Amino acid sequence: NAGVMQNPRHLVRRRGQEARLRCSPMKGHSHVYWYRQLPEEGLKFMVYLQKENIIDESGMPKERFSAEFPKEGPSILRIQQVVRGDSAAYFCASSPPAGKETQYFGPGTRLLVL
Amino acid sequence: GESVGLHLPTLSVQEGDNSIINCAYSNSASDYFIWYKQESGKGPQFIIDIRSNMDKRQGQRVTVLLNKTVKHLSLQIAATQPGDSAVYFCAENIGDAGNMLTFGGGTRLMVKP
Repeated sequence: NAGVMQNPRHLVRRRGQEARLRCSPMKGHSHVYWYRQLPEEGLKFMVYLQKENIIDESGMPKERFSAEFPKEGPSILRIQQVVRGDSAAYFCASSPPAGKETQYFGPGTRLLVL
Repeated sequence: GESVGLHLPTLSVQEGDNSIINCAYSNSASDYFIWYKQESGKGPQFIIDIRSNMDKRQGQRVTVLLNKTVKHLSLQIAATQPGDSAVYFCAENIGDAGNMLTFGGGTRLMVKP
């Protein structure tokens, strides 16, 4: 039973480029969450999605960041025109569709902006 | 074990001893709490959870205690092993605010053989 999958595991971008991070939830999970983690800090919520719907994006920066979870395929977190401050680990979590359930995390994508 | 910004508080224990990691949460409306373990370079791994209608829950070698009066959560690890060395985070889910988790700053557990 595969867990949450994220790719790439490591991503290097130059300032101004775009970063695309992908997340496939656990089988049977229809809720996806994205979090960002800076070194030596806790995770910070960014966005919560269900299939084809953004439920809560209160943690997303207003510019350059977007997320989607299409009917088919993985969830995508997209960062346009990256800046050095975007360097962080980005984690995806998924949970089952019933109420308030445990979120299970993927291995993360470590983004480095040069 | 609360957040202190860039420098994680560290708990150092001897192998075989019991460990207690503490967490103060912020919102009295929080009704679901989770402890995660994070090893270097990996994602957070679920350890144990507790809902606000309980004050204690036990798993294998781990116990979570919830004190809603003082908004305090603790994780007890029995017979700590070197493989328990990691950063531990508590996370809270705030009642009607949806499913987002709010994480504490983490505590680094170091187990000495």
